[in-house]
Amino acid sequence: NAGVTQTPKFRILKIGQSMTLQCTQDMNHNYMYWYRQDPGMGLKLIYYSVGAGITDKGEVPNGYNVSRSTTEDFPLRLELAAPSQTSVYFCASKYQGGVHTGELFFGEGSRLTVL
Amino acid sequence: DAKTTQPPSMDCAEGRAANLPCNHSTISGNEYVYWYRQIHSQGPQYIIHGLKNNETNEMASLIITEDRKSSTLILPHATLRDTAVYYCIVRSDGNKLVFGAGTILRVKS
Repeated sequence: NAGVTQTPKFRILKIGQSMTLQCTQDMNHNYMYWYRQDPGMGLKLIYYSVGAGITDKGEVPNGYNVSRSTTEDFPLRLELAAPSQTSVYFCASKYQGGVHTGELFFGEGSRLTVL
Repeated sequence: DAKTTQPPSMDCAEGRAANLPCNHSTISGNEYVYWYRQIHSQGPQYIIHGLKNNETNEMASLIITEDRKSSTLILPHATLRDTAVYYCIVRSDGNKLVFGAGTILRVKS
């Protein structure tokens, strides 16, 4: 079990460039999440998905897009990178079924700098 | 969802119990209390959660007051590796967990 895997770990982008942060999990979890964390701050939810084909906005979705075509993968796309998107991005997953609330499993993070 | 209040930082001596408080005075009956921690720049790690009863696992104990307006996370024998930011979160369904600023716990030798 690799758990939650994020790529790339580090990336520098120029303003206006686009990129996709990849996230994959091998635990057959139905729920997946993208968070961002600015220096010294807590995590803010960008988007989440409760299953393949279903996505929903979190607290700070502007400037981002997601898709969930398979259970395993949940990529996060930045279309026009802006300096305000400089942050550490965390992908997480969990199993949600019945009354079991499940714990969140996080990836190691992707550190993005927009210059 | 109920708002939580945590002290910004705490110190604890190595080997002693670390007691991290969380105030959630507006918690409703169906909301769970979750605790996560984040070591350095890693992704947060789940510690424990509870609804009404006190809970214990291999990492920690969670003590919830009878009126459920506050809780305490207890690390029974803190080590240097427990130095981290600890997040107390209240949610009704375990989804869309919102992580605030948390408490920075510094374990000192």
